[in-house]
Amino acid sequence: GEDVEQSLFLSVREGDSSVINCTYTDSSSTYLYWYKQEPGAGLQLLTYIFSNMDMKQDQRLTVLLNKKDKHLSLRIADTQTGDSAIYFCAELHANTGNQFYFGTGTSLTVIP
Amino acid sequence: DTEVTQTPKHLVMGMTNKKSLKCEQHMGHRAMYWYKQKAKKPPELMFVYSYEKLSINESVPSRFSPECPNSSLLNLHLHALQPEDSALYLCASNSPFGEQFFGPGTRLTVL
Repeated sequence: GEDVEQSLFLSVREGDSSVINCTYTDSSSTYLYWYKQEPGAGLQLLTYIFSNMDMKQDQRLTVLLNKKDKHLSLRIADTQTGDSAIYFCAELHANTGNQFYFGTGTSLTVIP
Repeated sequence: DTEVTQTPKHLVMGMTNKKSLKCEQHMGHRAMYWYKQKAKKPPELMFVYSYEKLSINESVPSRFSPECPNSSLLNLHLHALQPEDSALYLCASNSPFGEQFFGPGTRLTVL
């Protein structure tokens, strides 16, 4: 399998920015994703980036991709209490039958 | 419609029961997935169907039997499960552009 690593926990104050990091080991990934999972719920696709891009911005979310260092990050601006959840990064390997590899997940806690 | 639906939402079954989980999407996606997820862990891939054919089986025990009757439906048949099979079972489908959408999951408890 693939090693996709994330920090386990992150705490931020409401209104601050959150940065969630992810490192992966396989450079053949084609797409990289960020998912949000609230307690008892399924995974919500937040955003994704094609591997030939460096950055993607979508409202409060900014994704940065450093292919050289195999590092992906998700920045959430003006973090709100509703952003508290577990965040998973994932990579798609289209050349191995569309297999997804998920990161270990980061639990984000937003302090009011 | 960017929705993947799953039924039932919750399922409690004994170790001798036979049950099925259902998944449906009407986005025209031709790749569909079953995942198993334990609490606070990432989803673990079980099966991938591509164009209604099983393309990946991640060494899943035979007590889990997937079925893809058509391009919109995916089933997971369960028989003689063990308590350690209790988990959230997630279905997902992939667009040709790389987006993967998940259903809300079925929370399975095996007694």
